[in-house]
Amino acid sequence: GIQVEQSPPDLILQEGANSTLRCNFSDSVNNLQWFHQNPWGQLINLFYIPSGTKQNGRLSATTVATERYSLLYISSSQTTDSGVYFCAVVTNAGNNRKLIWGLGTSLAVNP
Amino acid sequence: GAGVSQSPSNKVTEKGKDVELRCDPISGHTALYWYRQSLGQGLEFLIYFQGNSAPDKSGLPSDRFSAERTGGSVSTLTIQRTQQEDSAVYLCASSQEETQYFGPGTRLLVL
Repeated sequence: GIQVEQSPPDLILQEGANSTLRCNFSDSVNNLQWFHQNPWGQLINLFYIPSGTKQNGRLSATTVATERYSLLYISSSQTTDSGVYFCAVVTNAGNNRKLIWGLGTSLAVNP
Repeated sequence: GAGVSQSPSNKVTEKGKDVELRCDPISGHTALYWYRQSLGQGLEFLIYFQGNSAPDKSGLPSDRFSAERTGGSVSTLTIQRTQQEDSAVYLCASSQEETQYFGPGTRLLVL
């Protein structure tokens, strides 16, 4: 099955710094989503981005489907950005909408 | 509007007992998903309901696990004869199109 790899696995930032998180996937996809899981466990959808670029405030994401990767950019990081960032994909195979998840990037933003 | 809700928020049970976990999706969402997340891990797909179609049960780890979705709305995940390795956070999500919206999860501890 499709493999989803995220890097780095862990990241520590000082408040105000910028960062880039990467998601590589091993097969073509028709759905890619980025999620943030806060320290209390709540998962929030950040972007639905099977291709192209989207921005939402200090966050933006780019997916290059032909090269099978997606990037999540966090600018001017804040302590509330701490948590785990997950990338999840749905393959083009069949008619399924089952998300396959990476292991996440654990981000800690220090004041 | 109201988000996805799950109950109970926490459940402690003894090995061998049965448990039922409930998910109330966002009203009008036709798709409902169950995932399991072990400590420090990514999400593991369990089962997916889409409208009146037969559910995708391909992620259920054993025949002790089952799920129902009544009337296209509320879903119940049942774990029979619980084992210690069933301890995890069980997350429910719903969607109308591609973006999945998650509930807060049920934290299950099997002693």
